[in-house]
Amino acid sequence: EVQLVESGGGLVQSGRSLRLSCTASGFSFGDYAMSWFRQAPGKGLEWVGFIRTRAYGGTTTKYAASVGGRFTISRDDSKSIAYLQMNSLKTEDTGVYYCTRSSSLYTNSPFYFDYWGQGTLVTVSS
Amino acid sequence: QSLLTQPPSVSGAPGQRVTIACTGSSSNIGAGYDVHWYQVLPGTAPKLLIYGSSNRPSGVPDRFSGSKSGTSASLAITGLQAEDEADYYCQSYDSSLSGYVFGIGTKVTVL
Repeated sequence: EVQLVESGGGLVQSGRSLRLSCTASGFSFGDYAMSWFRQAPGKGLEWVGFIRTRAYGGTTTKYAASVGGRFTISRDDSKSIAYLQMNSLKTEDTGVYYCTRSSSLYTNSPFYFDYWGQGTLVTVSS
Repeated sequence: QSLLTQPPSVSGAPGQRVTIACTGSSSNIGAGYDVHWYQVLPGTAPKLLIYGSSNRPSGVPDRFSGSKSGTSASLAITGLQAEDEADYYCQSYDSSLSGYVFGIGTKVTVL
C-alpha cells in the first residue's frame, strides 16, 4: 500500500524557516517524481513544486512563481524521503502542505498526482 | 483568479446525475493537456478520481466519468450517493505559467 506521511509543520514567525518531510512507503520511491502542494484556509489547492527522479535529468526541480527563490525541494532516495525547505516565510504561506507521488501518462508529459499524504499544517504568524 | 473555471457548487438528489464543468483556455486544456480530477472528502486528503481526462484509477467506482473537448472538461457522477458529498477539483498543466493549475473546486451536495 502506498503511503505518504508529511511531518515538520507548525507555528513559525514571518521571515523564519521551516523544513517539511514526506516519508514514503509501499512503492519504489526513487522511480517517481515527487511534488508538494498547499491549501490555504478556505482556499483551493495550489501547486508548490516538484522534483524529478535521478534517472530523469538528475533530480531537477521546478517551482511555482509564488515560492520560487524561497522554497527548495530535495530528496533522499536511500531513506524514501522528500523535503520541502521553506525560507523567508510569509503569512500568506500559511496552509496545509501535501506531498504527492507524481506520475505521467507518457514520457515527458505533465504529471498527475496519484497519491497524496494527509498533509501537515504550517502557520506563519506576523 | 484560477485559470480553470468551475462552478462553486452543484447539487442533486440521490440517484441523480450531476456534472461539473471545468473551463480552461488555449494555454492549458485547449493546448491538449490532460485534465485530472480529485475528490476531497471533508477532513481528508485529496484523492485522484480521474486521470488523463477520462481514466479511472483502480478502486474508483464507474459512477464517475470524465471527458474533455476543446478548452473544457467535465466530470459526471451518475447514481449520486450520500458518500459523494465532497469538493471536486479539476487540474491541468498551463504552458504560460509552466506549472500546474487547479480549478477553485466544486462542492457537491446530495439533497
